[in-house]
Amino acid sequence: DAGITQSPRHKVTETGTPVTLRCHQTENHRYMYWYRQDPGHGLRLIHYSYGVKDTDKGEVSDGYSVSRSKTEDFLLTLESATSSQTSVYFCAISETAGELFFGEGSRLTVL
Amino acid sequence: AQSVSQHNHHVILSEAASLELGCNYSYGGTVNLFWYVQYPGQHLQLLLKYFSGDPLVKGIKGFEAEFIKSKFSFNLRKPSVQWSDTAEYFCAVNVPGNTGKLIFGQGTTLQVKP
Repeated sequence: DAGITQSPRHKVTETGTPVTLRCHQTENHRYMYWYRQDPGHGLRLIHYSYGVKDTDKGEVSDGYSVSRSKTEDFLLTLESATSSQTSVYFCAISETAGELFFGEGSRLTVL
Repeated sequence: AQSVSQHNHHVILSEAASLELGCNYSYGGTVNLFWYVQYPGQHLQLLLKYFSGDPLVKGIKGFEAEFIKSKFSFNLRKPSVQWSDTAEYFCAVNVPGNTGKLIFGQGTTLQVKP
């Protein structure tokens, strides 16, 4: 399995609080991605990074921000969590623009 | 914009039955195509991929998929399913050179009855 660690794996928080999810990789891959998985929607891309400090929006980026200060870390921040952001969040990495390797997922519940 | 459509949302089969899951994408140019599987409680794993060449692609665990360019399809097949194939299956597409972003279909839940 690719060396991808997501933290926390489970989190329960309240509406309006900030939340940061961390993705750490040991593969030195260039590309990193944050997806959310919701029933009936499959996986939807939130943000992605194509290098240190190089990030861009995906299809469902509203309410989320990201940062990548080091190759190995990609942070996803919810500035003010809402119930609609209750989801399972997956980090993925890729070296070339092709196959993605996924982390174990982070389950976030916003009450 | 690219999109991926999986026609079967929930499939129930008995062991040894044959499986075919449909996947269609919308993009007129060259694409890379993938099938991922997610076993209960686990992360996504790659089943197979198509970049170029032989349109019939073989993957792990006896799965295969056929790329039919004229139909914009990439259907997944397995001749004889097992109970352990119970999982959610995702078709995905990306445009070569486009930062590797994968666009996923909605997923198909496969339940195999012993």
